[in-house]
This record gives sequence, C-alpha cells and structure tokens, in this order.
Amino acid sequence: GIQVEQSPPDLILQEGANSTLRCNFSDSVNNLQWFHQNPWGQLINLFYIPSGTKQNGRLSATTVATERYSLLYISSSQTTDSGVYFCAGGGAGGTSYGKLTFGQGTILTVHP
Amino acid sequence: DGGITQSPKYLFRKEGQNVTLSCEQNLNHDAMYWYRQDPGQGLRLIYYSQIVNDFQKGDIAEGYSVSREKKESFPLTVTSAQKNPTAFYLCASTKATYRASGNTIYFGEGSWLTVV
Repeated sequence: GIQVEQSPPDLILQEGANSTLRCNFSDSVNNLQWFHQNPWGQLINLFYIPSGTKQNGRLSATTVATERYSLLYISSSQTTDSGVYFCAGGGAGGTSYGKLTFGQGTILTVHP
Repeated sequence: DGGITQSPKYLFRKEGQNVTLSCEQNLNHDAMYWYRQDPGQGLRLIYYSQIVNDFQKGDIAEGYSVSREKKESFPLTVTSAQKNPTAFYLCASTKATYRASGNTIYFGEGSWLTVV
C-alpha cells in the first residue's frame, strides 16, 4: 500500500501567523483528503483535493499529483485552529472514498 | 440533525472479554467504516461495508468482527483475540457512489476503549 508522510510533526504558532503543512505520497492517488482533529477527537473533513487548488476561508490546499505531494495553508491562525491535521490518500469511487491511508499527522498549537 | 452516533464514549474492558462498540448513522449513506487510532498515530482501517450483509477486511482486521444487518448500523466487536485493544475507535460513512459528490467522509465522535 501507499505510504503517507507529513511534515512538520509539530508546529507552534502565535495567533495571526501563517503556516504550511506538507504531505508526501509514495505512489499516485486518486483521492486525497485533509482532516482536522480537534482536542476532543472529532475528525472533520477539510478538503477533498486529488489535484489543483481549493480555498475555504482562511484555509487553502494545493495538490501536485504528478509530484505526489499536497500542501495545506493556514492563514491568520486562530487558537481554534489548534489540533491535529491529517492528510490521507486512497482510490476513488464507491467505498474507495472512505478506504484511506492516513499520515501520522501534524500537531498544531496556536497561542493567543 | 444528520450524523453518526457512536456509543459508548468510554469503555473499559477486562482481559479476555469481548466488547461491542455501536455505530449508527442517519445520513442514508451506503458505505460505513471502522478505524482505529493509537496515541500520536494516524488512523488505520479495520473493516468496511458497502451494503447490508456485506463487509470487507481492512488493514488490521485481526481480533475484530463486524456485522451489517441494517443500513444505518455497523457495530464493531473487539474480541479477546485482539492482543492490544486499547485505542480510540472511529466510525465513518460515505455515500459510496462513483460520483465525486460521494467523496466526503463523515466521522463519529469516537469511542475510547481501555483494557484494565
């Protein structure tokens, strides 16, 4: 199966700072997703982004499928952005949307 | 509101006991999944099901069993054969279509299982 590597493993920011999280894949994927896990364990889907760029408020993501990596940008960070960010990859269609290989995550801490 | 409900939130198991974690969804999704998360780690797929009465093993199915008797329900049993069951368990669902609209995966709030 594919391997997913995320960097950095930990990130500490002051409120208002910007950050970039990276995800590398060992093989091509048809399905690439970013998630945020809050301190209580709830996992929320941020982006479905097998290629190209998407933006949602202060968050945006870019995937360069030919080079097997994806980036998550967080601008003007807030304390509520704290938590763990995961990227995950897999196939597309049917149950493949949910059969994902996850990276180890990036732990983000935003201080006021 | 639509969503995925997992219960119990916290569960303690004695060595040698089987325990069952409940997962119910009212999103009318066809596909359901169980993931395991260990501290400081990413999620790993245990089992998944695309339709009622059918399910498939994921990457770490040994020591676990599931059933899918109803579309809304996908309970996970952690058996005594699972040597290291202490973990956070997450249930999820997707529409399971071949359209891109089926790509959003929804997770429950998770269940913490501890062996005592």
